[in-house]
Amino acid sequence: EAGVAQSPRYKIIEKRQSVAFWCNPISGHATLYWYQQILGQGPKLLIQFQNNGVVDDSQLPKDRFSAERLKGVDSTLKIQPAKLEDSAVYLCASSLEGEAGNTIYFGEGSWLTVV
Amino acid sequence: AQKVTQAQTEISVVEKEDVTLDCVYETRDTTYYLFWYKQPPSGELVFLIRRNSFDEQNEISGRYSWNFQKSTSSFNFTITASQVVDSAVYFCALSEFRDDKIIFGKGTRLHILP
Repeated sequence: EAGVAQSPRYKIIEKRQSVAFWCNPISGHATLYWYQQILGQGPKLLIQFQNNGVVDDSQLPKDRFSAERLKGVDSTLKIQPAKLEDSAVYLCASSLEGEAGNTIYFGEGSWLTVV
Repeated sequence: AQKVTQAQTEISVVEKEDVTLDCVYETRDTTYYLFWYKQPPSGELVFLIRRNSFDEQNEISGRYSWNFQKSTSSFNFTITASQVVDSAVYFCALSEFRDDKIIFGKGTRLHILP
């Protein structure tokens, strides 16, 4: 079974530029998550989708971050304009259903460096 | 509020030694779930184990074992006869019944020296 796919793996941009990350979850997984992991810290949830609807985006900096999952399968996370503090790994994850205790499976992440 | 504390920031041991990674959690729920994930240098978070709050049995999987103690709100992870391939960052995480999000600790970076 294929895992969570993410691209690009690495991206370097200048501050104030924009960037987009793509994620394809495990087939059949209704719930998709985007996490931000800053160096030396644990992952922090940015947004959670159940099918194509947003369940939780309370920690998403909406002035610069946006995410969509239009057809309930793959998803895109965009940052515009980027700031230096956005340098992090952006992890996409998925689970069968958004129920407590469900195991969440992660992709390899997209490493962003903002200079 | 839910919280996960991994007090050990970094640990180094020599190959074949046993090593225990500590995890202490806080939650108001009586039903909750605990997880351990491994993050090798490639960056992917690899699921290791899930434990629900009603199952306090310790679990062993090969060289890995987990000790869950509700009395001390701890869910410790032991690697027996460590190997260089065990070198990674290990995260403990918590999910409350009322909330399906997983909250992660800050992780423990484990170095296994040859």
